[in-house]
Amino acid sequence: QSVLTQPPSVSGAPGQRVTISCTGSSSNIGAGFDVHWYQYLPGIAPKRLIYGNNNRPSGVPDRFSGSKSGTSASLAITGLQAEDEADYYCQSFDSRLSYYVFGTGTKVTVL
Amino acid sequence: QVQLQQSGPGLVKPSQTLSLTCGISGDSVSSNSGTWNWIRQSPSRGLEWLGRTFYRSKWYNDYELSVKGRITIDPDTSKNQFSLQLNSVTPEDTAIYFCARNTQGYGMDVWGQGTTVTVSS
Repeated sequence: QSVLTQPPSVSGAPGQRVTISCTGSSSNIGAGFDVHWYQYLPGIAPKRLIYGNNNRPSGVPDRFSGSKSGTSASLAITGLQAEDEADYYCQSFDSRLSYYVFGTGTKVTVL
Repeated sequence: QVQLQQSGPGLVKPSQTLSLTCGISGDSVSSNSGTWNWIRQSPSRGLEWLGRTFYRSKWYNDYELSVKGRITIDPDTSKNQFSLQLNSVTPEDTAIYFCARNTQGYGMDVWGQGTTVTVSS
């Protein structure tokens, strides 16, 4: 049972914008710990999309952006493309557990 | 460029021990800035962080509550690698296992290639 909750699925047509929420609590996101986002394709190592709440590693398109407010964070994908169809996970640190936690994961479907 | 190379068997019998190793190149397992993690992915549970080892003047370990008591993560400074041992496995431990480096402020920034582990007799 993850302490970071995400919607199971979101979908959008090519070119549209979708957002994925990541809801935590006062012991993780709300405590000021960074949120990171990963894209997962089956059988391949997760790809880091966003680090430190809103920073993109080199090579990640600027269609991906992150934000954080209070006890929640969000990942936005603008100009949705077929290749964006994947599972997405947020990740942070929980001070009550004293270790890293992943979100429940969101499947993005491109209609 | 930091790279992680995983090795270990892909099939483990129920009640036995799952053992994997993650070799590090381009960084040191004794680094004072990174932590060395094991993570698994399964369709039923998604990405699940299992545990970490790291060095900050001495060695530390943290383990996820659901596997604590069954899991050991050990550094091997002579080979610059770290290992995962998960005891008393059941079919529920069937998953793809990844090792990863976490750098504070940057998340899990380097990943191993993944090892598909099936628990079956």
